[in-house]
Parts: sequence; structure tokens; C-alpha cells
Amino acid sequence: SQTIHQWPATLVQPVGSPLSLECTVEGTSNPNLYWYRQAAGRGLQLLFYSVGIGQISSEVPQNLSASRPQDRQFILSSKKLLLSDSGFYLCAWRNQGYSPLHFGNGTRLTVT
Amino acid sequence: DQQVKQNSPSLSVQEGRISILNCDYTNSMFDYFLWYKKYPAEGPTFLISISSIKDKNEDGRFTVFLNKSAKHLSLHIVPSQPGDSAVYFCAATAGTYKYIFGTGTRLKVLA
Repeated sequence: SQTIHQWPATLVQPVGSPLSLECTVEGTSNPNLYWYRQAAGRGLQLLFYSVGIGQISSEVPQNLSASRPQDRQFILSSKKLLLSDSGFYLCAWRNQGYSPLHFGNGTRLTVT
Repeated sequence: DQQVKQNSPSLSVQEGRISILNCDYTNSMFDYFLWYKKYPAEGPTFLISISSIKDKNEDGRFTVFLNKSAKHLSLHIVPSQPGDSAVYFCAATAGTYKYIFGTGTRLKVLA
């Protein structure tokens, strides 16, 4: 069966520090991978998605970036965090075609 | 531009009764719709989906209804249980890679 791992679960970082969140998927090949963010009291905002290694589509202009160095690995990064980057970050995967997204357990990021 | 809207931020229902969660969308190109359930500090869990060629899909206690002419989607939970208390998100896609989510409705099932 397929599983998705996302870490760390919680993170507190000072403004201006770098960020690296990692997500890996097991049990499937060539998944579509996603990063979403849920700000406090708000819905799920699509940040990035990837349909293959090295292929990244960005949905929202921001100081975040994503990379997919391996088929089942997706990384969310920032060189300098802003206070507004605080939120709940979720990684997700899906198979090709009309299929649901499957989410990891998320990372709670607090920028202080 | 909020293409998927959940206008009720919260809903309270008595245990054993029906819970009805609503979702409206504006993009007529959406052709696949999903419902997710989310507990605090966890990722959303997929519940049920429906394609635009259907108007109803059922899975156990969960039924999703789609009214394309009204651009309206609803999730019925019967009977409601205390464990159903969570935030529910609807989502839609137009056959692309982009899945657009609503802002969520917090359901509280009262024992």
C-alpha cells in the first residue's frame, strides 16, 4: 500500500532563517506531488505541484520554492522565512488521472 | 477569486441525525469533485468523490450529490456520529493537476 511521510511535524524558525521541509511517498511510481498550505482559519492553498522529476509548477508568487530531486521525494524550501510564512504545510500525492489527493500529516511552521 | 466556496463555517448536528454540508463552485469546467475530512493537526483524509457524469455517489454513511446546473455539491452523513466531528473540505478539479479547495466547514456532532 502507498504511504506518505512528511517531516518534521512541528518547526519554529526565526524570521530570515532558511527552511527545508521534506516529503516522501512509498508504494507508487511517478506520482503527482503537491505542497499545500493552510493558514490559520483558512482553506487549503495550493503552492506547488510536480508531475515528474525536476518538473515544478508554482501557483502563488512567494519566497518559497520546491524541488523534486527523486521520483518520490518532494522538498519545500525557503532561503529567508517571513512571518507570513507561518502555517500548516501539507504534502500530498496522487496517481495519474481522476484520482484523489492523499495527504501527509503536515508540518506546523511557526516563524517568530 | 474563490472558485470553490463553503459558505457555512460551522454546523452542529445531533448524534443520529443527518449532517448536510454544502459547497458551491463557479468554474463550469470542473468535472471531478471530492470531500475530505480533517482533524486538528492532521492532514485531510479523502472521504468520497464524484465525477460530473454522475449526480450521486454513495459510500456507507456518506453520500455526495452534484447539481451541475446550480454548480452545487453537498455531502450527506447519515447517521451522524460524534467521531464525525471535524472540518470538512470540498475540492474540485477541471481534469488538470490543480485541485482547488474550499475554506472548510467545521462539523460538530452532539452526543
